Amino acid sequence: NAGVTQTPKFQVLKTGQSMTLQCAQDMNHNSMYWYRQDPGMGLRLIYYSASEGTTDKGEVPNGYNVSRLNKREFSLRLESAAPSQTSVYFCASSTPSTPQFTFGSGTRLTVV
Amino acid sequence: SQQGEEDPQALSIQEGENATMNCSYKTSINNLQWYRQNSGRGLVHLILIRSNEREKHSGRLRVTLDTSKKSSSLLITASRAADTASYFCATGPNSGNTPLVFGKGTRLSVIA
Repeated sequence: NAGVTQTPKFQVLKTGQSMTLQCAQDMNHNSMYWYRQDPGMGLRLIYYSASEGTTDKGEVPNGYNVSRLNKREFSLRLESAAPSQTSVYFCASSTPSTPQFTFGSGTRLTVV
Repeated sequence: SQQGEEDPQALSIQEGENATMNCSYKTSINNLQWYRQNSGRGLVHLILIRSNEREKHSGRLRVTLDTSKKSSSLLITASRAADTASYFCATGPNSGNTPLVFGKGTRLSVIA
Protein backbone atom coordinates (compact mmCIF):
# COMPACT_ATOMS: atom_id res chain seq x y z
CA ASN A 1 0.00 0.00 0.00
CA ALA A 2 1.29 3.45 -0.91
CA GLY A 3 1.98 5.70 2.02
CA VAL A 4 4.37 6.70 4.77
CA THR A 5 6.03 3.97 6.83
CA GLN A 6 7.57 4.66 10.22
CA THR A 7 9.75 2.34 12.26
CA PRO A 8 9.76 1.39 15.05
CA LYS A 9 6.18 1.73 16.31
CA PHE A 10 7.20 1.67 19.97
CA GLN A 11 10.47 2.28 21.76
CA VAL A 12 11.63 2.67 25.33
CA LEU A 13 14.99 4.36 25.90
CA LYS A 14 17.01 5.14 28.96
CA THR A 15 18.13 8.72 29.51
CA GLY A 16 21.28 9.37 27.52
CA GLN A 17 20.75 6.63 24.96
CA SER A 18 20.58 7.41 21.27
CA MET A 19 18.28 6.15 18.56
CA THR A 20 17.13 6.88 15.03
CA LEU A 21 13.52 6.98 13.93
CA GLN A 22 13.06 5.90 10.34
CA CYS A 23 10.56 7.23 7.83
CA ALA A 24 10.03 6.24 4.20
CA GLN A 25 7.43 7.25 1.63
CA ASP A 26 6.69 5.66 -1.71
CA MET A 27 4.54 8.40 -3.25
CA ASN A 28 7.40 10.29 -4.91
CA HIS A 29 6.72 13.28 -2.65
CA ASN A 30 9.30 16.05 -2.56
CA SER A 31 8.81 17.25 1.01
CA MET A 32 8.98 15.38 4.29
CA TYR A 33 8.36 16.44 7.89
CA TRP A 34 8.83 15.31 11.47
CA TYR A 35 6.30 16.35 14.12
CA ARG A 36 5.91 15.44 17.75
CA GLN A 37 2.58 15.22 19.52
CA ASP A 38 2.20 15.70 23.25
CA PRO A 39 -1.05 15.67 25.23
CA GLY A 40 -2.84 18.99 24.94
CA MET A 41 -0.14 20.45 22.66
CA GLY A 42 -1.26 19.40 19.22
CA LEU A 43 1.46 18.72 16.67
CA ARG A 44 4.70 20.66 16.75
CA LEU A 45 7.17 20.69 13.89
CA ILE A 46 10.67 19.42 14.69
CA TYR A 47 12.41 19.49 11.29
CA TYR A 48 11.40 19.36 7.68
CA SER A 49 12.95 18.78 4.28
CA ALA A 50 11.37 20.78 1.46
CA SER A 51 13.26 18.77 -1.13
CA GLU A 52 16.01 16.18 -1.37
CA GLY A 53 19.26 17.67 -0.09
CA THR A 54 17.71 20.35 2.13
CA THR A 55 16.63 20.36 5.76
CA ASP A 56 15.32 23.13 7.98
CA LYS A 57 14.52 23.55 11.65
CA GLY A 58 11.00 23.76 12.87
CA GLU A 59 9.49 24.97 16.11
CA VAL A 60 11.20 22.47 18.47
CA PRO A 61 14.50 21.24 16.95
CA ASN A 62 16.67 21.14 20.07
CA GLY A 63 17.96 17.66 20.88
CA TYR A 64 17.26 16.29 17.40
CA ASN A 65 19.07 15.86 14.10
CA VAL A 66 17.73 14.77 10.74
CA SER A 67 19.02 13.24 7.54
CA ARG A 68 17.29 13.26 4.17
CA LEU A 69 18.94 10.12 2.92
CA ASN A 70 17.28 10.23 -0.50
CA LYS A 71 13.92 11.29 -1.89
CA ARG A 72 12.14 8.44 -0.11
CA GLU A 73 13.72 8.48 3.34
CA PHE A 74 13.92 11.05 6.13
CA SER A 75 15.32 9.97 9.50
CA LEU A 76 15.18 11.64 12.90
CA ARG A 77 17.98 11.04 15.40
CA LEU A 78 18.04 11.59 19.12
CA GLU A 79 21.70 11.73 20.15
CA SER A 80 21.16 11.74 23.92
CA ALA A 81 17.57 11.06 24.87
CA ALA A 82 15.94 13.00 27.68
CA PRO A 83 12.62 12.37 29.48
CA SER A 84 11.27 15.58 27.86
CA GLN A 85 11.50 13.79 24.52
CA THR A 86 8.87 11.26 25.57
CA SER A 87 6.24 11.78 22.91
CA VAL A 88 4.56 10.37 19.84
CA TYR A 89 6.52 11.18 16.68
CA PHE A 90 4.88 11.49 13.29
CA CYS A 91 6.46 11.66 9.88
CA ALA A 92 4.55 13.18 6.98
CA SER A 93 5.11 13.93 3.32
CA SER A 94 3.66 16.21 0.67
CA THR A 95 4.32 17.59 -2.77
CA PRO A 96 3.19 20.80 -4.54
CA SER A 97 0.64 18.98 -6.70
CA THR A 98 -0.91 17.41 -3.59
CA PRO A 99 -0.59 19.89 -0.72
CA GLN A 100 -2.44 17.66 1.73
CA PHE A 101 -0.08 15.79 4.01
CA THR A 102 0.12 12.02 4.26
CA PHE A 103 1.08 10.85 7.75
CA GLY A 104 2.71 7.73 9.03
CA SER A 105 1.16 5.80 11.92
CA GLY A 106 3.61 7.22 14.45
CA THR A 107 6.36 6.10 16.82
CA ARG A 108 5.53 6.12 20.51
CA LEU A 109 8.76 6.88 22.37
CA THR A 110 9.22 6.72 26.13
CA VAL A 111 12.43 7.93 27.75
CA VAL A 112 12.94 6.76 31.32
CA SER B 1 3.57 28.30 18.23
CA GLN B 2 0.18 27.13 17.03
CA GLN B 3 -1.30 29.06 14.14
CA GLY B 4 -4.75 27.53 14.26
CA GLU B 5 -6.80 27.26 17.40
CA GLU B 6 -9.80 24.96 17.46
CA ASP B 7 -12.91 25.55 19.48
CA PRO B 8 -14.31 23.82 21.43
CA GLN B 9 -11.53 21.67 22.89
CA ALA B 10 -14.00 18.85 23.44
CA LEU B 11 -17.48 18.12 22.12
CA SER B 12 -19.88 15.34 23.04
CA ILE B 13 -23.03 14.70 20.99
CA GLN B 14 -25.58 11.98 20.33
CA GLU B 15 -25.47 9.88 17.20
CA GLY B 16 -27.45 11.54 14.41
CA GLU B 17 -26.76 15.08 15.61
CA ASN B 18 -24.58 17.55 13.77
CA ALA B 19 -21.14 18.50 15.08
CA THR B 20 -19.58 21.89 14.44
CA MET B 21 -15.95 22.72 15.14
CA ASN B 22 -14.30 26.07 14.64
CA CYS B 23 -10.77 27.14 13.84
CA SER B 24 -9.18 30.56 14.06
CA TYR B 25 -5.79 31.46 12.64
CA LYS B 26 -3.49 34.45 12.72
CA THR B 27 -1.67 35.09 9.46
CA SER B 28 -2.39 34.99 5.73
CA ILE B 29 -2.89 31.54 4.32
CA ASN B 30 -2.87 29.79 0.98
CA ASN B 31 -5.17 27.04 2.14
CA LEU B 32 -6.70 25.57 5.26
CA GLN B 33 -6.98 21.86 5.84
CA TRP B 34 -8.84 19.64 8.27
CA TYR B 35 -7.50 16.33 9.55
CA ARG B 36 -8.94 13.55 11.69
CA GLN B 37 -7.03 11.43 14.18
CA ASN B 38 -8.45 8.29 15.66
CA SER B 39 -7.04 7.29 19.03
CA GLY B 40 -3.51 5.93 18.69
CA ARG B 41 -3.35 6.52 14.94
CA GLY B 42 -1.82 8.97 12.51
CA LEU B 43 -3.66 11.95 11.07
CA VAL B 44 -5.84 11.49 8.02
CA HIS B 45 -6.59 14.32 5.62
CA LEU B 46 -10.30 15.17 5.36
CA ILE B 47 -10.69 18.28 3.24
CA LEU B 48 -8.76 21.26 1.91
CA ILE B 49 -10.23 24.69 1.23
CA ARG B 50 -8.25 27.31 -0.65
CA SER B 51 -8.10 30.94 0.35
CA ASN B 52 -10.28 31.99 -2.59
CA GLU B 53 -13.04 29.52 -1.67
CA ARG B 54 -15.79 30.17 0.86
CA GLU B 55 -17.39 26.77 1.23
CA LYS B 56 -16.63 23.19 0.32
CA HIS B 57 -18.47 19.90 0.72
CA SER B 58 -17.29 16.32 0.88
CA GLY B 59 -19.88 13.70 1.79
CA ARG B 60 -21.17 14.56 5.28
CA LEU B 61 -18.49 17.22 5.73
CA ARG B 62 -19.00 20.91 5.10
CA VAL B 63 -16.17 23.40 5.54
CA THR B 64 -16.46 27.17 5.43
CA LEU B 65 -13.69 29.73 5.32
CA ASP B 66 -13.92 33.41 6.20
CA THR B 67 -10.58 35.03 5.43
CA SER B 68 -11.74 38.43 6.70
CA LYS B 69 -12.29 36.91 10.14
CA LYS B 70 -9.43 34.42 9.79
CA SER B 71 -11.70 31.58 10.75
CA SER B 72 -13.02 28.28 9.45
CA SER B 73 -15.65 25.82 10.56
CA LEU B 74 -16.06 22.09 10.01
CA LEU B 75 -19.59 20.68 10.12
CA ILE B 76 -20.17 16.94 10.31
CA THR B 77 -23.81 16.14 9.60
CA ALA B 78 -25.73 13.11 10.89
CA SER B 79 -22.80 12.04 13.06
CA ARG B 80 -22.00 8.39 13.70
CA ALA B 81 -20.13 6.64 16.51
CA ALA B 82 -17.30 6.06 14.01
CA ASP B 83 -16.82 9.85 13.79
CA THR B 84 -15.43 9.80 17.34
CA ALA B 85 -11.92 11.20 16.94
CA SER B 86 -9.84 14.34 17.31
CA TYR B 87 -10.11 16.92 14.55
CA PHE B 88 -7.35 19.36 13.68
CA CYS B 89 -7.19 22.36 11.43
CA ALA B 90 -3.91 23.16 9.72
CA THR B 91 -2.73 26.16 7.77
CA GLY B 92 0.18 26.85 5.48
CA PRO B 93 1.52 29.85 3.58
CA ASN B 94 2.26 27.89 0.43
CA SER B 95 1.18 24.70 -1.26
CA GLY B 96 2.84 21.38 -0.84
CA ASN B 97 6.42 22.09 0.12
CA THR B 98 6.23 24.04 3.35
CA PRO B 99 5.16 22.89 6.77
CA LEU B 100 1.59 22.99 7.98
CA VAL B 101 0.94 24.50 11.37
CA PHE B 102 -1.60 22.56 13.39
CA GLY B 103 -3.99 23.61 16.10
CA LYS B 104 -4.45 21.67 19.32
CA GLY B 105 -7.55 19.92 18.05
CA THR B 106 -11.15 19.29 19.02
CA ARG B 107 -11.91 15.95 20.64
CA LEU B 108 -15.30 14.75 19.37
CA SER B 109 -17.23 12.01 21.11
CA VAL B 110 -20.32 10.63 19.38
CA ILE B 111 -22.48 8.62 21.73
CA ALA B 112 -24.56 5.80 20.26
